[in-house]
Amino acid sequence: DQQVKQNSPSLSVQEGRISILNCDYTNSMFDYFLWYKKYPAEGPTFLISISSIKDKNEDGRFTVFLNKSAKHLSLHIVPSQPGDSAVYFCAASDAGGTSYGKLTFGQGTILTVHP
Amino acid sequence: DARVTQTPRHKVTEMGQEVTMRCQPILGHNTVFWYRQTMMQGLELLAYFRNRAPLDDSGMPKDRFSAEMPDATLATLKIQPSEPRDSAVYFCASGPYKNTGELFFGEGSRLTVL
Repeated sequence: DQQVKQNSPSLSVQEGRISILNCDYTNSMFDYFLWYKKYPAEGPTFLISISSIKDKNEDGRFTVFLNKSAKHLSLHIVPSQPGDSAVYFCAASDAGGTSYGKLTFGQGTILTVHP
Repeated sequence: DARVTQTPRHKVTEMGQEVTMRCQPILGHNTVFWYRQTMMQGLELLAYFRNRAPLDDSGMPKDRFSAEMPDATLATLKIQPSEPRDSAVYFCASGPYKNTGELFFGEGSRLTVL
């Protein structure tokens, strides 16, 4: 039972264009959502997050959008840079509950930004 | 520069052997997680601890996997006996008290079981 789904295994984008990574979830108890970035041979690193009380959070070139009614979130990277090439994981938590920060991750999307 | 430290980084072993992976969480973090990365499932949670007490290990095959925190600076994940399907990258992550989910991951232990 995959509670967090990233249906696109890979995405290829030209440098300077927008990258849009999508994520769907099924558990209505999730109230905090995160994106992690992972380079080869490294552990995932936190990128950006959003609470369920918001529908948008922006940090530099990265913006996360949350549509609670659709149980969908997306990560926008504008403009995309070759250094953004990595695996991006969507994650969710019921931080307001008793999960103590337990994260449920999606399968990941491999982003490749071409120069 | 605080970081989560995992050992070994790479391990190749034969089926049936015991494997122990170790993790040193960031000092002061009281939640510790073990995740496994697979192609199909992405990052799947195996077990996690709060203040060294196990909270949830439902993601772990109980007959062969065990996770412990002997003290606040060490978490272990043991597989006995190991099987080829256990081949994966195992990540340890830690987080501070009242963690909203911004976990800090180690670099992972790549396990290959022949």
